[in-house]
Amino acid sequence: GAGVSQSPSNKVTEKGKDVELRCDPISGHTALYWYRQSLGQGLEFLIYFQGNSAPDKSGLPSDRFSAERTGGSVSTLTIQRTQQEDSAVYLCASSLLNQGLETQYFGPGTRLLVL
Amino acid sequence: GQQVMQIPQYQHVQEGEDFTTYCNSSTTLSNIQWYKQRPGGHPVFLIQLVKSGEVKKQKRLTFQFGEAKKNSSLHITATQTTDVGTYFCAGRPGSSNTGKLIFGQGTTLQVKP
Repeated sequence: GAGVSQSPSNKVTEKGKDVELRCDPISGHTALYWYRQSLGQGLEFLIYFQGNSAPDKSGLPSDRFSAERTGGSVSTLTIQRTQQEDSAVYLCASSLLNQGLETQYFGPGTRLLVL
Repeated sequence: GQQVMQIPQYQHVQEGEDFTTYCNSSTTLSNIQWYKQRPGGHPVFLIQLVKSGEVKKQKRLTFQFGEAKKNSSLHITATQTTDVGTYFCAGRPGSSNTGKLIFGQGTTLQVKP
C-alpha cells in the first residue's frame, strides 16, 4: 500500500481480555517501530524491529506486552490481560535507511480503550 | 535514563507572530528529527538534522541542531492557522542511524486568526 496501515482503528475491550494490534508497514521498509501515545502526551517507545528480529524491546511496559514480526513485513502487538492504564493510541511506524538517513512513516494508530 | 525535554508545552500566538519550540537531551544524539501532529492525526515527519550546528529551512520553518548535538530548536516565522498542531522533536542516542527514538513531550501550538 501507499502508507503504513494499522488495524483495528479502534478497539474497546474489557479489563482482563487479550488484544492483538496489527501493523502493515510500507512495502520494503526493513525497520518497524511501535509507540504508545496517551491522551495529550508524547510518544512512548515500545519496541523496534529490524527485519524479523527485535534488537530493542526496552520500552515494553511489562511482560503482558509482546510483539512479533514475520516475513519482514506485518507486525502484531499483543497485550495480555489488559488493564485500564493500557488505554492509549498505539502507533506503528516503518522506515528505510537512505544514504544514512532514516525517516519514520507513521500509521494512523489503533485507539485502545480498556473498560 | 535518556530523556528529551521539550519546551514550552503549549503556545498560543496571534496569526503572523513567530513561534519557537526548544528541545534538550540529557545525552549526545546522533541525529534529531522533528514531527508535526495535527489534532486527531498521526505524527508526520518534517526534517532530520545530523551534523553539529546544522541549520535547515523549509519555507517559514527553521530547524537548528546545537553544536554539542544535545539540543535543537524549531522556529516558525509569521505563523498561519495551518501551523496549528503539536510539534515533537525526537532524538536518537549514541551514534547509530537506526533504533530507538526518544520523543519529547511536544509543544502544542494554537494560532488565533
